[in-house]
Amino acid sequence: AQKVTQAQTEISVVEKEDVTLDCVYETRDTTYYLFWYKQPPSGELVFLIRRNSFDEQNEISGRYSWNFQKSTSSFNFTITASQVVDSAVYFCALSEALNAGNMLTFGGGTRLMVKP
Amino acid sequence: DSGVTQTPKHLITATGQRVTLRCSPRSGDLSVYWYQQSLDQGLQFLIQYYNGEERAKGNILERFSAQQFPDLHSELNLSSLELGDSALYFCASSVGIPHTDTQYFGPGTRLTVL
Repeated sequence: AQKVTQAQTEISVVEKEDVTLDCVYETRDTTYYLFWYKQPPSGELVFLIRRNSFDEQNEISGRYSWNFQKSTSSFNFTITASQVVDSAVYFCALSEALNAGNMLTFGGGTRLMVKP
Repeated sequence: DSGVTQTPKHLITATGQRVTLRCSPRSGDLSVYWYQQSLDQGLQFLIQYYNGEERAKGNILERFSAQQFPDLHSELNLSSLELGDSALYFCASSVGIPHTDTQYFGPGTRLTVL
């Protein structure tokens, strides 16, 4: 069965520090999709990135970057030069091709607090 | 703004009651998903509909039911409510092409059962 683990429940940094959020997943499927979502204090879930299992290229979007490593079943998220507005709970999620639908299995989330 | 709308934003009710949560997907999306976020269980998938038909079911209680209407909006019905049903209920939508699309989430409905 699929599983997503975010071992860091809470991280606190000072503004301008770099921070990496870890995500480890388990799946028996060879085709799967990985996601990161952000949940700011207002509560909504905001989509950040989607990666499929055949694309191990790292991605950078502004201050955000993602490191996908199939060998270690990890999909880590780094925020460079963090800002107070980055304070949120971040969720990593997995969707397997074997599933009839596209259901997402979420990790427990990492609460990031960026202090000024 | 994801384009997914959910009503109401907040709902306070009593144990034993029944409530209906409503979701309108993004324009063009055929799939609707319901998730529950609670402190003890985290974010859990409940059910998915695609173009009016149930496609996948997760950890949805028998007291809960959902449907998707011809105009593609969806409703989640929760009955015989218990204190433990208090949670944030999210609706998400996607184009619906299996395994190629991304789910966009609505703002959620916060349900409080007293």
